[in-house]
Amino acid sequence: QVQLQESGPGLVKPSGTLSLTCAVSGGSISSSNWWSWVRQPPGKGLEWIGEIWHTGSTNYKSSLKSRVTISVDKSKNQFSLKLSSVTAADTAVYYCARVTITIPLYGMDVWGQGTTVTVSS
Amino acid sequence: DIQMTQSPSSLSASVGDRVTITCRASQSISTFLNWYQQKPGEAPKLLIYAASSLQSGVPSRFSGSGSGTDFTLTISSLQPEDFATYSCQQSYSTPYSFGQGTKLEIK
Repeated sequence: QVQLQESGPGLVKPSGTLSLTCAVSGGSISSSNWWSWVRQPPGKGLEWIGEIWHTGSTNYKSSLKSRVTISVDKSKNQFSLKLSSVTAADTAVYYCARVTITIPLYGMDVWGQGTTVTVSS
Repeated sequence: DIQMTQSPSSLSASVGDRVTITCRASQSISTFLNWYQQKPGEAPKLLIYAASSLQSGVPSRFSGSGSGTDFTLTISSLQPEDFATYSCQQSYSTPYSFGQGTKLEIK
């Protein structure tokens, strides 16, 4: 079955750029799914960041749109998140997730284990 | 953007109890409503999709209902492994949005 694995630096300096990658195994990133990033600040709820289709089409959360880039690398079967100009408010556990659209199912049915990113000098 | 509001924020209950969690959308989302369970240190797990359909492998004591703006998640008889945080999420339109979560604790 499909598995997702996040990777990237656990510590990013303020004003820097957070960069994470999600490797997809057990399936193709070119399947009919969106691929999302979701984060969870310490002690808080889940926040959707954005998603990408294998063609490169993206959707982003409005309040993050100016700082977020999600890209896909089909040759490596992975997708990535870049978040620029980070502050302490961006400290969170970052998850990648598969969004399955097989109506009536339209939800995030596969998740990575999550990776903690701390923004600090 | 669609806002999702859950109630209560936390809930204490005992093994065997029946519990209900409510989720309200700021506009109609038909039945594009999912429920997730999250245990400490773990990723969320999809429990219910399309408001009332049980994801494969999820015990039948979990059920969901609702359409439009008002939805409920019910656990018919709490088991020890059910103590976790539950979040609703709308997939009606992007940006997708989650409720703030309901933490279910042991009484």
